[in-house]
Amino acid sequence: AQSVAQPEDQVNVAEGNPLTVKCTYSVSGNPYLFWYVQYPNRGLQFLLKYITGDNLVKGSYGFEAEFNKSQTSFHLKKPSALVSDSALYFCAVRDIETDKLIFGTGTRLQVFP
Amino acid sequence: DAGVIQSPRHEVTEMGQEVTLRCKPISGHDYLFWYRQTMMRGLELLIYFNNNVPIDDSGMPEDRFSAKMPNASFSTLKIQPSEPRDSAVYFCASTGTGGMKKLFFGSGTQLSVL
Repeated sequence: AQSVAQPEDQVNVAEGNPLTVKCTYSVSGNPYLFWYVQYPNRGLQFLLKYITGDNLVKGSYGFEAEFNKSQTSFHLKKPSALVSDSALYFCAVRDIETDKLIFGTGTRLQVFP
Repeated sequence: DAGVIQSPRHEVTEMGQEVTLRCKPISGHDYLFWYRQTMMRGLELLIYFNNNVPIDDSGMPEDRFSAKMPNASFSTLKIQPSEPRDSAVYFCASTGTGGMKKLFFGSGTQLSVL
């Protein structure tokens, strides 16, 4: 079965510093990977996806993610964090057999001024 | 486009009462999903529809939960009877043909069962 793991419940970073939110995956076959963000009292919003092609994927709000097949990782990154980036971030993988989107447990990003 | 619209935003009810949550997907989307979010269990897929037909309801916790999609622009999730452990945020999401490439979520319904 396909799955993703987000090893950190919370990530703290100072405004202006680079940020990384980690995600590892376990899939059979080629992975379809996603990042979503959830702001307080809102639904999830799509940030970016990896289907195939370039390992560095660029998404909304200046975020990017790097697909690393050898490390089975898909970490979310941003060169310079903003306080407004503080939110809950979910990694997800598409289960090819069931066509379901399987979400990780989420990582809370806190950016301090 | 107004996005995925859910109602009500908040629902407070007493144990044993019937609860109905509503969702209007984005026009033209043919997939609709119901998710439940809790601190303990994270984000769980309850059921999803394709072209108004339920495809997979394996995530529905028990018979007290039911979902319908009578037409392309409306879906309901019903809990009868409700229990305190059903307290959660329930999200509806939709997407177009091609399935899971990008889901659009509503703002959710915060359900509290007392």
